[in-house]
Amino acid sequence: AQKITQTQPGMFVQEKEAVTLDCTYDTSDQSYGLFWYKQPSSGEMIFLIYQGSYDEQNATEGRYSLNFQKARKSANLVISASQLGDSAMYFCAMREGFTVGFKTIFGAGTRLFVKA
Amino acid sequence: EAGVAQSPRYKIIEKRQSVAFWCNPISGHATLYWYQQILGQGPKLLIQFQNNGVVDDSQLPKDRFSAERLKGVDSTLKIQPAKLEDSAVYLCASSLSGDQETQYFGPGTRLLVL
Repeated sequence: AQKITQTQPGMFVQEKEAVTLDCTYDTSDQSYGLFWYKQPSSGEMIFLIYQGSYDEQNATEGRYSLNFQKARKSANLVISASQLGDSAMYFCAMREGFTVGFKTIFGAGTRLFVKA
Repeated sequence: EAGVAQSPRYKIIEKRQSVAFWCNPISGHATLYWYQQILGQGPKLLIQFQNNGVVDDSQLPKDRFSAERLKGVDSTLKIQPAKLEDSAVYLCASSLSGDQETQYFGPGTRLLVL
């Protein structure tokens, strides 16, 4: 079964507007971590934001925020004030457990296109 | 602080040939990961090292893939012999420890097997 589901293969957003990229996850663990990475056409994976399962507040990093809804098992990424440079692939990932040996699983990704 | 270094950036080989990739993690990072990313998919973990020991290699095709991290710093990933389906980007990442710490990725090696 899919552990990480990103249902939007592609998304368009107008420059300067906000956009939400969806991510749902599946785990029976109580302890887990959720990540979002950006992958531009150059190929490098760039860390954006992290949310721990026990964190009560939604994580924020500059223009990025993570809308964490634990009961619904969703961890959507919100990008505010989109810029042309935000055009890239975005991956949601989950790490189950907080000890060595638990692998990180990535979703299939969402390609974001920012229009001028 | 220098990031994760990988070489080569691109490689084209014919099937049944051998190929090796090199990764130098961020200084001080104990955990090193190799991922395979096939076009249109998310990265898939191949192997994870904690210092020079293997923590997880459950998804490594051991009949043809091997990896080592002899001194607990840099690492090599080898494919021998390569198959067409090995065409992918091979990403190396490192983290301070093996827990929830963020993984930092290198630029990747794009492999094309003809």
